[in-house]
Amino acid sequence: DAGVTQSPTHLIKTRGQQVTLRCSPISGHKSVSWYQQVLGQGPQFIFQYYEKEERGRGNFPDRFSARQFPNYSSELNVNALLLGDSALYLCASSLALNKLFFGSGTQLSVL
Amino acid sequence: DAKTTQPNSMESNEEEPVHLPCNHSTISGTDYIHWYRQLPSQGPEYVIHGLTSNVNNRMASLAIAEDRKSSTLILHRATLRDAAVYYCILRPNNNDMRFGAGTRLTVKP
Repeated sequence: DAGVTQSPTHLIKTRGQQVTLRCSPISGHKSVSWYQQVLGQGPQFIFQYYEKEERGRGNFPDRFSARQFPNYSSELNVNALLLGDSALYLCASSLALNKLFFGSGTQLSVL
Repeated sequence: DAKTTQPNSMESNEEEPVHLPCNHSTISGTDYIHWYRQLPSQGPEYVIHGLTSNVNNRMASLAIAEDRKSSTLILHRATLRDAAVYYCILRPNNNDMRFGAGTRLTVKP
């Protein structure tokens, strides 16, 4: 079975631009979570969705938004990019709200 | 949020057991103790979790103190492939997972 897939794997943007990251969960998983990982630090929680509803939100500005689609895939949007948004963005899926399965992430570079 | 404290780094020799400690003195009764690890250039990977009793699986063992204020992840025979950052996380019920800085484990041949 395919694991969690994220696209694109790498992305370069400039300050002020907007970016959309995509995540396909493991088949049958209804929950998707998004994390930001800056180099040298642990992943920081951004959002959690379950059955297309937001179930949790981390301490991130309103420039960050997400949604989950009827097929349980998800998108993370970041507006007005800042240099500090450069990071690895990780998506994780889970059956209900238990053990998380992570993708390999999207490496975002903001220039 | 309840916090965890882990050593920044640890070293182990290959084929020897490794005990990774985690302190969580402010743990509440509904917090599950989760361990994940992150290998280089990969997303985190589930290792084990528990609530009150010690737990074993094919990857590791989790020893939980009687007062639940600390726990220890035990790798019974470290291999080079176990070199990773290990995260100890408290998770209330099944809510979102909040990671700390973790322990970087180095395994020497």
